[in-house]
Amino acid sequence: EAEVAQSPRYKITEKSQAVAFWCDPISGHATLYWYRQILGQGPELLVQFQDESVVDDSQLPKDRFSAERLKGVDSTLKIQPAELGDSAMYLCASSLSGTPYEQYFGPGTRLTVT
Amino acid sequence: AQTVTQSQPEMSVQEAETVTLSCTYDTSESDYYLFWYKQPPSRQMILVIRQEAYKQQNATENRFSVNFQKAAKSFSLKISDSQLGDAAMYFCAWIGNKLVFGAGTILRVKS
Repeated sequence: EAEVAQSPRYKITEKSQAVAFWCDPISGHATLYWYRQILGQGPELLVQFQDESVVDDSQLPKDRFSAERLKGVDSTLKIQPAELGDSAMYLCASSLSGTPYEQYFGPGTRLTVT
Repeated sequence: AQTVTQSQPEMSVQEAETVTLSCTYDTSESDYYLFWYKQPPSRQMILVIRQEAYKQQNATENRFSVNFQKAAKSFSLKISDSQLGDAAMYFCAWIGNKLVFGAGTILRVKS
């Protein structure tokens, strides 16, 4: 069964350093989502892509976060510089175009900023 | 703004018994979907059950069923014949133009 892949699974970094996460959606899924899940809370949408275009990045802290999906397939989420408050699980999900109600989630990247 | 509220931070159930997890939501939209997701420890989030708002019939998936009360904006999940593998964090979620999650309920299953 096809799955959303994410790497790394765990990342520890010092504050003020740069960090990047990678996501490979299910083949054929044109829509890709990045969520942030703070411990004890539900996931919150950071950015949504339709193919290579950003559809919604209203909750993305653009002063330090950036996301790209250059060829409309895999995607990278970057944080520079990392802050202590960025410690969280970063989830990637994907769906077929036009079916946001059928999102498939990856295993996530757990980020710890020290 | 759309919100999803799960008032039970933690629930416990004895193996083979039934448990109900509560969820309320707030929206002015008439067409939307509601979901229950399961997130086991250190494992990925999976969809448990989905309800379309225009359908009056409550969704059922094997041991999982929902009680959808549209007027009351309530969407509870009932797990029957609970199993040890049901232990996880459960999230209620709503989607209009984007997926909005509640804070989650930790479900513990006792053997």
